[in-house]
Amino acid sequence: AQSVTQLDSQVPVFEEAPVELRCNYSSSVSVYLFWYVQYPNQGLQLLLKYLSGSTLVKGINGFEAEFNKSQTSFHLRKPSVHISDTAEYFCAVSDQTGGGNKLTFGTGTQLKVEL
Amino acid sequence: ETGVTQTPRHLVMGMTNKKSLKCEQHLGHNAMYWYKQSAKKPLELMFVYNFKEQTENNSVPSRFSPECPNSSHLFLHLHTLQPEDSALYLCASSQGLAGHVDTQYFGPGTRLTVL
Repeated sequence: AQSVTQLDSQVPVFEEAPVELRCNYSSSVSVYLFWYVQYPNQGLQLLLKYLSGSTLVKGINGFEAEFNKSQTSFHLRKPSVHISDTAEYFCAVSDQTGGGNKLTFGTGTQLKVEL
Repeated sequence: ETGVTQTPRHLVMGMTNKKSLKCEQHLGHNAMYWYKQSAKKPLELMFVYNFKEQTENNSVPSRFSPECPNSSHLFLHLHTLQPEDSALYLCASSQGLAGHVDTQYFGPGTRLTVL
């Protein structure tokens, strides 16, 4: 069975500072990893995904994540955050290909960017 | 309209009411999903449909009844709900093709309150 741990439920950070949101996963087979963002009163929007290949994945809005197999981690980073990045961020894992694959989500990290 | 749409956006119902949530995707996808998002809990997968066939029922109580008349539409019929069923219900869709790692695209959700 697969699982995702997001250790930080809230991360406060000042505008223009760097940020890292942590994600660790467990899975017995090949994994596919995703980060989603949820702005208030909205659904989830895909930020980036790791399927294979380069372990450094770049996404939208200046975010990037690094897949580390030995540490079973997929941490999300941004070198300089903006007020508009305030949102909840979810890490998710899937070990399936094919139609209707199941995603297992973490509990989310609330990023609060302050002036 | 583009992407995944959900109606209504907000719903308040009594425990004896019957109501339905609607989801429509305009992405040409074949797989559709229902998720439940409760405060402080990971997103819970409820149902998965692929090419109109239900492929996953994650031990969801029978007071939730899904319907997928075609690949573009997904309904969640609700009856005799409990207050603990109050949550944000998210619909998602993906390509659903065998041998591919699916990316799920989410709608904005329906905020359900059961009195």
